[in-house]
This record gives sequence, structure tokens and C-alpha cells, in this order.
Amino acid sequence: DSGVTQTPKHLITATGQRVTLRCSPRSGDLSVYWYQQSLDQGLQFLIHYYNGEERAKGNILERFSAQQFPDLHSELNLSSLELGDSALYFCASSQGGASYNEQFFGPGTRLTVL
Amino acid sequence: GQNIDQPTEMTATEGAIVQINCTYQTSGFNGLFWYQQHAGEAPTFLSYNVLDGLEEKGRFSSFLSRSKGYSYLLLKELQMKDSASYLCAVRVLNQAGTALIFGKGTTLSVSS
Repeated sequence: DSGVTQTPKHLITATGQRVTLRCSPRSGDLSVYWYQQSLDQGLQFLIHYYNGEERAKGNILERFSAQQFPDLHSELNLSSLELGDSALYFCASSQGGASYNEQFFGPGTRLTVL
Repeated sequence: GQNIDQPTEMTATEGAIVQINCTYQTSGFNGLFWYQQHAGEAPTFLSYNVLDGLEEKGRFSSFLSRSKGYSYLLLKELQMKDSASYLCAVRVLNQAGTALIFGKGTTLSVSS
């Protein structure tokens, strides 16, 4: 158990819908990272927040957005869902910003878009 | 662009030694990580290299050559539970910030 929690564990929805994935980092960690993992693409970095501020963006679609709240939990919002958005979404946390080494991953949310 | 290559699959037997290679072409290199991921589970951290050389951690070792854009993960005394996907990831620093770029992973199957 990494100490990072993600909810829900599974989510099934239809195309065109909007969903929110939630992540609580390990106690004391200020950074939250979001990743998407699909079978053909591997693990893709989406976005990084540090202490409430966006630090880096990866291959995140405009239909996706995220935020980190004052209590440091984070939410990833996915809208106008398409079949290709079906994937495992992982959240990871680390203590520092750019300089800290290790990221701890949550158990993931499996999103299925029908 | 950023590119990380590792073999798709490898097989080995219990008790053996296996080396998983990773080559990368990235800009803004700032460290290389190896993660282990069992099917359907979260990746777990194995090792980190930022300077050239070998880092040893129990049965696992990782090597980095920055000039060659090359790393390997060495697993000794293989056990059945080592059957998993091994992900090579490069941390890059650029104007957009810090990102961890993952390879597609190497699926290792350990047989008895």
C-alpha cells in the first residue's frame, strides 16, 4: 500500500459524458501527478500539480482538466468522453516538486467508456 | 521528440539472472527510473540513477550511461513473483516543467 488513494476504483460510462476522478496523496506529499495507461500507449504523463499550482503538462487533451485543492487532494475531470479514453488512470504523489526522486502510485481508476 | 525503447517481452527461469535494457533519446535528461508493475496494479519504484554507474539494491541493480543514452535493470536469483512488467522512465526538465516519460514496458515471464 503506497498511501495514495484513488476513487472510484472502476467507472463505466457512455460516450459524451463527463466524469471526475479523485486522488488523495500520501500524508506530507505536496506533488500530485496524473497518468493515463492504455494497452497500446503505455503510461502517459498528463499533468503535475505542486501545492495547488500546475507545474507541468504532458499529453493532456483539452477535454481533460485537473486541479489540486488546498487540502492537497486532486481531481481529474474528463469530459466529452470518447471510446479511446477507456484506460487506467493513475495518480502518483511525491514529497517535493521537480527535485524529489520517487513517485508513489495509487491503485488507479479503471475507466470504461461504452 | 522524446523516445524510450525497451524490449516488449523477455522470458527467464527461476534462479537465473536477467538484464532488461532501455535506450532513450530525450532532451532535458534529469534522471532515470525503473518501476515494476504487476498486471492491473500500480507501478512500484525499483531504482533511480542520475549519475553514470551501477546502483545496487538487493537482488536488483540498475546501470546508467548518460553518454550512450542507455540503462539496464539487472534482476538476480529470479523468483516467480518477479513476473511483471518493468518500466523504464526518464525524468525530463524543460520549459514546460518536469515530466516522467515512460517506455512501454518489458513483460518478464519467469518459469520454474
